[in-house]
Amino acid sequence: GAGVSQTPSNKVTEKGKYVELRCDPISGHTALYWYRQSLGQGPEFLIYFQGTGAADDSGLPNDRFFAVRPEGSVSTLKIQRTERGDSAVYLCASSLGWGGSSTDTQYFGPGTRLTVL
Amino acid sequence: GESVGLHLPTLSVQEGDNSIINCAYSNSASDYFIWYKQESGKGPQFIIDIRSNMDKRQGQRVTVLLNKTVKHLSLQIAATQPGDSAVYFCAENRRAAGNKLTFGGGTRVLVKP
Repeated sequence: GAGVSQTPSNKVTEKGKYVELRCDPISGHTALYWYRQSLGQGPEFLIYFQGTGAADDSGLPNDRFFAVRPEGSVSTLKIQRTERGDSAVYLCASSLGWGGSSTDTQYFGPGTRLTVL
Repeated sequence: GESVGLHLPTLSVQEGDNSIINCAYSNSASDYFIWYKQESGKGPQFIIDIRSNMDKRQGQRVTVLLNKTVKHLSLQIAATQPGDSAVYFCAENRRAAGNKLTFGGGTRVLVKP
């Protein structure tokens, strides 16, 4: 079956611009996660959704970052007034559940590489 | 997350040999530990996980060992193949308190033919 998909695969923008990154989770998965990965490092948690609501947004670095999941499926990560330090690979993952069982395994998409010039 | 800089630890292994990748974790309250494989330009791929009440779990050609006393996790790959060349990350989470993953530093595995 189809895995997690993310668009665009690459995004180049200028400092100060607004960007949107999209994630399509695995069909039927109720939980969706965003992570950010800098070169040579492991992914760092940003935010996760249970259904339509953000259950934990403690990883968002500042108020320039915002994410939505209005219908409980597709999610969009929005970054305002981009800065060069925002350059990274943004990864999305989804899981079937989140209740503390084996169904919580997170499956990742290929990521969006964001470059802020 | 931990910062490991641009230079990942690298494990070079001969094709056909066994590989052992080690990871130290920080949160004694974590209840799941997971290994991911990441190839260049791709997202992390789930390999195997282990619950905190276990000390060993086996999959296809892989074995994960958990030592809670010293907060150490290892991944053993049997008969390493060229397709195993990648960066491997361990991760931990407390699923009952939310499912966010905390990743450790990665290890690059290079398989020599």
